Amino acid sequence: AQKITQTQPGMFVQEKEAVTLDCTYDTSDQSYGLFWYKQPSSGEMIFLIYQGSYDEQNATEGRYSLNFQKARKSANLVISASQLGDSAMYFCAMREASGGYNKLIFGAGTRLAVHP
Amino acid sequence: GAGVSQSPSNKVTEKGKDVELRCDPISGHTALYWYRQSLGQGLEFLIYFQGNSAPDKSGLPSDRFSAERTGGSVSTLTIQRTQQEDSAVYLCASVRGGNSPLHFGNGTRLTVT
Repeated sequence: AQKITQTQPGMFVQEKEAVTLDCTYDTSDQSYGLFWYKQPSSGEMIFLIYQGSYDEQNATEGRYSLNFQKARKSANLVISASQLGDSAMYFCAMREASGGYNKLIFGAGTRLAVHP
Repeated sequence: GAGVSQSPSNKVTEKGKDVELRCDPISGHTALYWYRQSLGQGLEFLIYFQGNSAPDKSGLPSDRFSAERTGGSVSTLTIQRTQQEDSAVYLCASVRGGNSPLHFGNGTRLTVT
């Protein structure tokens, strides 16, 4: 079974609009962490935001926020006021406590294109 | 440097040759990961080192792949008898610990001809 599912291979958004990138996860652990990374065409992996399973509030980092719905096992990334520089691949990832936090498992990614 | 350093940045090799990829993690980071990313795909976990513990090798795709980490710092990923399907970007990441985010290097692009 897929641990991390990103159902949107590609997304388009108009500059200055908000966009939501979907991520669902599968775990039986109570303790886990969820991460979002951005990968521009240059190939570097850029950490965006983190949500712990016990965090009661949704994580926010500047224009990025994480819509964490624990019961639905979803951790969608919301980017507000999109910018042209947001065009990139976005990966959702999870680290489980039962794995000793050994593995950060990544989804297949969503390619976001921001149009002017 | 301040970040994770990987070398070489690009490597072209002939099928059947061995290659070594190097990773210098961020100083003080206790854990180190190797991932593989094929063109247009997500990141595939390969191996994980944490301090002096036995590495988690569960992601290595075959016995042609091996990795070591010397002195708890620099790591080398070795691929023996390379095959064309080994062509990918190999990413190294280090982490301070706990639920800290992974910091990635810029990767080594391996092309097997």
